[in-house]
Amino acid sequence: SQQGEEDPQALSIQEGENATMNCSYKTSINNLQWYRQNSGRGLVHLILIRSNEREKHSGRLRVTLDTSKKSSSLLITASRAADTASYFCATGLQYNFNKFYFGSGTKLNVKP
Amino acid sequence: ETGVTQSPTHLIKTRGQQVTLRCSSQSGHNTVSWYQQALGQGPQFIFQYYREEENGRGNFPPRFSGLQFPNYSSELNVNALELDDSALYLCASSVRQGTNEKLFFGSGTQLSVL
Repeated sequence: SQQGEEDPQALSIQEGENATMNCSYKTSINNLQWYRQNSGRGLVHLILIRSNEREKHSGRLRVTLDTSKKSSSLLITASRAADTASYFCATGLQYNFNKFYFGSGTKLNVKP
Repeated sequence: ETGVTQSPTHLIKTRGQQVTLRCSSQSGHNTVSWYQQALGQGPQFIFQYYREEENGRGNFPPRFSGLQFPNYSSELNVNALELDDSALYLCASSVRQGTNEKLFFGSGTQLSVL
């Protein structure tokens, strides 16, 4: 079974609106990362949050982490059509940090 | 651009054949990981190489094997191809620095097994 799972599976919003996607995981982690993938090509790293951090910002991105609930959320503010992509969370495990486990992703469609 | 290049971009093989996929890591990166991504799914960890040695493996059979060369380029070999091996294969390079590595992905090789 997947270590991380994103929710919702698909999200469709209008340009200018905010997009929120969630990630749940199962075991203790060192960090959690969010990646973006356009049209089934390579993934691009967006942001990393460590297990001892609760919130992190990068430009229009805001990530929160709740280790007690084993969950994270990614907020994209003032979305643009160019944000249309699939978004994945990846967990780096506490005792096996060589591997990263990806969820199935949230497919975001931002309509112009 | 991540500086990670993969070749070929697309490949068609038949069941039972063998395939070799190649990856050139970003300059200065000493670690390479390979992932398999089936359609509509997230990437699944195959294995990782660090300084030319396998350093972690996911739930994949031994017919999936790899190499990392002194210049940190890498190969993924798959023997006895099966239909379910059809997927996007992603290479990711990184710098080993404690427990907070960021992965830099190539654009992938789309493998179709007929």
